[in-house]
Amino acid sequence: QVQLVESGGGVVQPGGSLRLSCAASGFSFSTYGMHWVRQAPGKGLEWVAFIWFDGNNKFYADSVKGRFTISKDNSRNTVFLQMHSLKAEDTAVYYCAKDVDTGDLDHWGQGTLVTVSS
Amino acid sequence: DIQMTQSPSSLSASVGDRVTITCRASQSISSDLNWYQQKPGKAPKLLIYGASSLQSGVPSRFSGSGSGTDFTLTISSLQPEDFATYYCQQSYSIPPAYSFGQGTKLEIK
Repeated sequence: QVQLVESGGGVVQPGGSLRLSCAASGFSFSTYGMHWVRQAPGKGLEWVAFIWFDGNNKFYADSVKGRFTISKDNSRNTVFLQMHSLKAEDTAVYYCAKDVDTGDLDHWGQGTLVTVSS
Repeated sequence: DIQMTQSPSSLSASVGDRVTITCRASQSISSDLNWYQQKPGKAPKLLIYGASSLQSGVPSRFSGSGSGTDFTLTISSLQPEDFATYYCQQSYSIPPAYSFGQGTKLEIK
């Protein structure tokens, strides 16, 4: 069965950096795009980034453009989210999710919490 | 950017009730609309894709309809496990910028 396991969350100071990972199994990872979606404490869902199946195209929410980078290693079945210049408003649970048909997110990981605080 | 607005923001209902949640897009999104269910402390779960197609394994009491700017999610007969928060999401934007609605919290009356 499809399994997505995020890791790399933690506490970081404002202006700092963090890299999240999402290890995938149970499906042909190299043939699917992947998303990152976040959820601030007590708030709704916010789409963050999407990468094509082959890693050749990447798309970002305006709120993270220029600070976050999504990447995909098909040899390791892993998608990453490199986050720089972190702000307090980036504090959230970050979920990775599998794309089934360009924008339909059919499987999600359990999430990893990122806290940006001094 | 496409804005998604759900109504109501919260809703109280009883087991067995029929419930409808509405989602409106700020521009036409054809049928590129998905619905997710999220329970506290858990990841979201895809219920409906393409406005009206039921995701595999989702009970048939869930249904979706609409196109253009106005969409609905209907639960025909509420079950105890359906009390959760529901989100709509558009998958229309090109280049991708997949916005969610603010959520509708469905509570037990």
